[in-house]
Amino acid sequence: RKEVEQDPGPFNVPEGATVAFNCTYSNSASQSFFWYRQDCRKEPKLLMSVYSSGNEDGRFTAQLNRASQYISLLIRDSKLSDSATYLCVVRENYGGSQGNLIFGKGTKLSVKP
Amino acid sequence: DTGVSQNPRHKITKRGQNVTFRCDPISEHNRLYWYRQTLGQGPEFLTYFQNEAQLEKSRLLSDRFSAERPKGSFSTLEIQRTEQGDSAMYLCASSEPLDLLAKNIQYFGAGTRLSVL
Repeated sequence: RKEVEQDPGPFNVPEGATVAFNCTYSNSASQSFFWYRQDCRKEPKLLMSVYSSGNEDGRFTAQLNRASQYISLLIRDSKLSDSATYLCVVRENYGGSQGNLIFGKGTKLSVKP
Repeated sequence: DTGVSQNPRHKITKRGQNVTFRCDPISEHNRLYWYRQTLGQGPEFLTYFQNEAQLEKSRLLSDRFSAERPKGSFSTLEIQRTEQGDSAMYLCASSEPLDLLAKNIQYFGAGTRLSVL
């Protein structure tokens, strides 16, 4: 079983749509969770951290369900500029693997006019 | 530019040749990571340094790969006797010291794209 699993997509949505991405992780002791965004042939950039209580940043909402080992990202009112690959990322145990990030394969989003 | 810097951006080499990549982290970051990313995959961890000490190496890091960070600042990743399967994007990231309160966000450089012919 892969450590971090995501639906690779692609998700093709019209501008203004709401789109949700899901991710599951296998290590129940994982400490930290993130969504990174990666544009084509560019480096990954942090989109947002994911907290147990859920968190929102503008049009983006992230949720974490530790019991189900499930992470989600919701994008509302999608823009053309949201087109990218969204990487679900889990940081392994603090004190264990010392902060190494485990990436999913990414979910590709394409927002159309 | 105060971000993570990687050089070269692109490298084309023939199979069997040695290549070396350089990474300059964000200046106040003491942790430096190397990742490899192939098409359609997320980045995969290779190794990381805390200051000049190499603290962990992935099983992906074969004997042909070696990384150094001699003065705790910039790092180099060398691949000896390159193989076609080494073709990938090599990403470097840096972060602040890890502690219970820090988010330990890793910031990535633009990567070095290696093509082995």
